[in-house]
Amino acid sequence: DAGVIQSPRHEVTEMGQEVTLRCKPISGHNSLFWYRQTMMRGLELLIYFNNNVPIDDSGMPEDRFSAKMPNASFSTLKIQPSEPRDSAVYFCASSQRQSGRARDTQYFGPGTRLTVL
Amino acid sequence: DQQVKQNSPSLSVQEGRISILNCDYTNSMFDYFLWYKKYPAEGPTFLISISSIKDKNEDGRFTVFLNKSAKHLSLHIVPSQPGDSAVYFCAASASMNRDDKIIFGKGTRLHILP
Repeated sequence: DAGVIQSPRHEVTEMGQEVTLRCKPISGHNSLFWYRQTMMRGLELLIYFNNNVPIDDSGMPEDRFSAKMPNASFSTLKIQPSEPRDSAVYFCASSQRQSGRARDTQYFGPGTRLTVL
Repeated sequence: DQQVKQNSPSLSVQEGRISILNCDYTNSMFDYFLWYKKYPAEGPTFLISISSIKDKNEDGRFTVFLNKSAKHLSLHIVPSQPGDSAVYFCAASASMNRDDKIIFGKGTRLHILP
């Protein structure tokens, strides 16, 4: 069974360019999470969806960041315009949220390493 | 402000000895705690968890201890093996929030020395 798939694995872009990160969650999972990992802040939650609906986007740093989940098998995280301080590893994770259980194991993708020059 | 703190950025332990990774939290509403392990160029993977109704949970070589009064938990690995070299993230969640949100610490890099 394929795990969470993220693309691209590496992205190098110039400041001001638009960046789109993609994620395919595990089939059957109904919760999807976007995280960002940096040395300074560690692993921080940006936004998460349940049944394709954004539930909590309080971690999205600025209006330059946006995320969508048009269907159960695909999500995007977009940064427009990108800035050097956005350089980080971005992880997507998914889980199967069961009724009454909010602690279901999250399965992470391999991440996208973003470098903004 | 960090609600989940891992104050040791790195730790080196001799192979075969015990590794102890520590984690502190500030939010008294947290009632479920997890440890994730991360290898380079891979995403974190779930390792072990503990509910606040327990003070210990064991899974093979891995044991997590929870001290609610001190808002402290620790992960023990016995005996430590070379494959345990990785970054370990402590994480916590609050069931009262009725969501899937978990808060991660910054991680501790564990080096197992031969």
